[in-house]
Amino acid sequence: GAVVSQHPSWVICKSGTSVKIECRSLDFQATTMFWYRQFPKQSLMLMATSNEGSKATYEQGVEKDKFLINHASLTLSTLTVTSAHPEDSSFYICSAEPPGGETYNEQFFGPGTRLTVL
Amino acid sequence: AQSVSQHNHHVILSEAASLELGCNYSYGGTVNLFWYVQYPGQHLQLLLKYFSGDPLVKGIKGFEAEFIKSKFSFNLRKPSVQWSDTAEYFCAVALYSSASKIIFGSGTRLSIRP
Repeated sequence: GAVVSQHPSWVICKSGTSVKIECRSLDFQATTMFWYRQFPKQSLMLMATSNEGSKATYEQGVEKDKFLINHASLTLSTLTVTSAHPEDSSFYICSAEPPGGETYNEQFFGPGTRLTVL
Repeated sequence: AQSVSQHNHHVILSEAASLELGCNYSYGGTVNLFWYVQYPGQHLQLLLKYFSGDPLVKGIKGFEAEFIKSKFSFNLRKPSVQWSDTAEYFCAVALYSSASKIIFGSGTRLSIRP
């Protein structure tokens, strides 16, 4: 099956620093990847849609200058949390959508990255 | 705005009990429907999905769901739960018109007593 990895799995940083999270599709090419945020005991909130070779599409209320997304290749998307603050502490999950066939419109999720900002 | 509602926030059952988790969505157009499961400490996995055809969909691990278009519902069922079914369950809807964007429900935590 399709596998999506994230790195790092957890990160602790000081307030004001920037953190980069990588999302990779390991055995398929993904023109579209998605970034979600999950608060404790809550659902996934879509932050943005990452499109290979073009700008990301952000959901309403998500600061594009704070959450920088780069989809540089068909297997890699990165999320950079700039000038992180404690309220940015959360679980960030990415997903990737294979190009079609039986898995059309199906997203495969990474294991998530736990960000803690001190 | 489109939304997905899961009315059961926490369900506690004994092993071998039957399970039904409710899911309703608000959108009048064509939708693709999903149930995802998140086991403790693990990532989201797809349980089953409905795109078209038979509204009764069978998934992995004995789960099934029924799409009732008139009720905008996609309830998840399992006739006999096991302790290993303890997890968080998310209903999700993809709007056909927006291809990929998936909207998740708030999730239902399922606890199974051994």
